[in-house]
Amino acid sequence: AQSVTQLDSQVPVFEEAPVELRCNYSSSVSVYLFWYVQYPNQGLQLLLKYLSGSTLVESINGFEAEFNKSQTSFHLRKPSVHISDTAEYFCAVSLIQGAQKLVFGQGTRLTINP
Amino acid sequence: KAGVTQTPRYLIKTRGQQVTLSCSPISGHRSVSWYQQTPGQGLQFLFEYFSETQRNKGNFPGRFSGRQFSNSRSEMNVSTLELGDSALYLCASSWGQLGSLQETQYFGPGTRLLVL
Repeated sequence: AQSVTQLDSQVPVFEEAPVELRCNYSSSVSVYLFWYVQYPNQGLQLLLKYLSGSTLVESINGFEAEFNKSQTSFHLRKPSVHISDTAEYFCAVSLIQGAQKLVFGQGTRLTINP
Repeated sequence: KAGVTQTPRYLIKTRGQQVTLSCSPISGHRSVSWYQQTPGQGLQFLFEYFSETQRNKGNFPGRFSGRQFSNSRSEMNVSTLELGDSALYLCASSWGQLGSLQETQYFGPGTRLLVL
């Protein structure tokens, strides 16, 4: 079975500071990797995903994540955060072969202070 | 293009009752997945429907059931409600053709269910 661990439940940072949200996964088979963002009182939005190819993937709003197979990690980073980035971030995996479902981590609440 | 819509947005029920939640996917999408989000358990997969057939199922009791109609709209039913069923129920849609999550899943805003 797959599992996802998000190492920090809350991350407070100052505006314009860099941030890293950590995600480690466990799986005996190959998986796809995702980061979703949930703004207050809203559903989930896909931020970025890793399917294959380049291990560094980027989103349109400045976030990036790097797939590290040896460390089974998929950490999310942004060099300079904005107040509007305040949200909860979820790391997730799914099997490449087999049941198509997302297995989520517990989430990291990112709070941006002015 | 309209996004995924869920109705109702909020619902209050009492223990023992049953509830039906509705999800309308993005036009053209044939796969609908349901997830339960609670503070304690986080986001958990309930089931996925594709072309009116349940294609995948999570580890929830039989009180949780669903169905999908020919227009791809989906309903989820919970019978004999328990306090622990209080949660945000999210549905997500995708094309579903590839049968894998290479395709992006688009989530609705959710239905918040409170069981008293």
